[in-house]
Amino acid sequence: GAGVSQSPSNKVTEKGKDVELRCDPISGHTALYWYRQSLGQGLEFLIYFQGNSAPDKSGLPSDRFSAERTGGSVSTLTIQRTQQEDSAVYLCASSATGTGYGGYTFGSGTRLTVV
Amino acid sequence: QKEVEQNSGPLSVPEGAIASLNCTYSDRGSQSFFWYRQYSGKSPELIMSIYSNGDKEDGRFTAQLNKASQYVSLLIRDSQPSDSATYLCAVNLDRGSTLGRLYFGRGTQLTVWP
Repeated sequence: GAGVSQSPSNKVTEKGKDVELRCDPISGHTALYWYRQSLGQGLEFLIYFQGNSAPDKSGLPSDRFSAERTGGSVSTLTIQRTQQEDSAVYLCASSATGTGYGGYTFGSGTRLTVV
Repeated sequence: QKEVEQNSGPLSVPEGAIASLNCTYSDRGSQSFFWYRQYSGKSPELIMSIYSNGDKEDGRFTAQLNKASQYVSLLIRDSQPSDSATYLCAVNLDRGSTLGRLYFGRGTQLTVWP
């Protein structure tokens, strides 16, 4: 696609429910990243996929968070048993080279609200 | 510990002035440096990248890099109210398992008043 596509754009869920957030990167981009941004806060790294390499999961805040990337393209971030502190904007980004050269392109984000 | 530090601001300048945004980073191995602009309620947008010491100009924007001092800055000339946003500094450590990952500062909020 022309840009990074994320869905849904907004999600309201009850505490304890599971949610899935989807990211469709720019076609041909080998690297895909998930970040989250709480209100008024900076970007918090979650996970990074590069080609067929094992993902860098070092930013996932707990074992309730997981992500996969199928076929080197679409990625799904899953949050199990959501908590109120999970409320944030979840941003996906992709990069053509995976080396950092050229920077990332971000999607428009998914705003998650846990009530 | 890889850190990217920015003054949180807010920075307020009048229309037409030069806005100067600063960023320091902790890791001497860093190779790629970026400035992102984030309007309220929107996602970050890449506006400048710089990889070598010195200045890089793109329209009203100039990025400056000094690797010896571990310092990168963004100058916005002839600031406009439409430049009002949060500016994020991002740094890539180009080695090992962190290849490709960007480390972001917390951002500097800029307000340009007419």
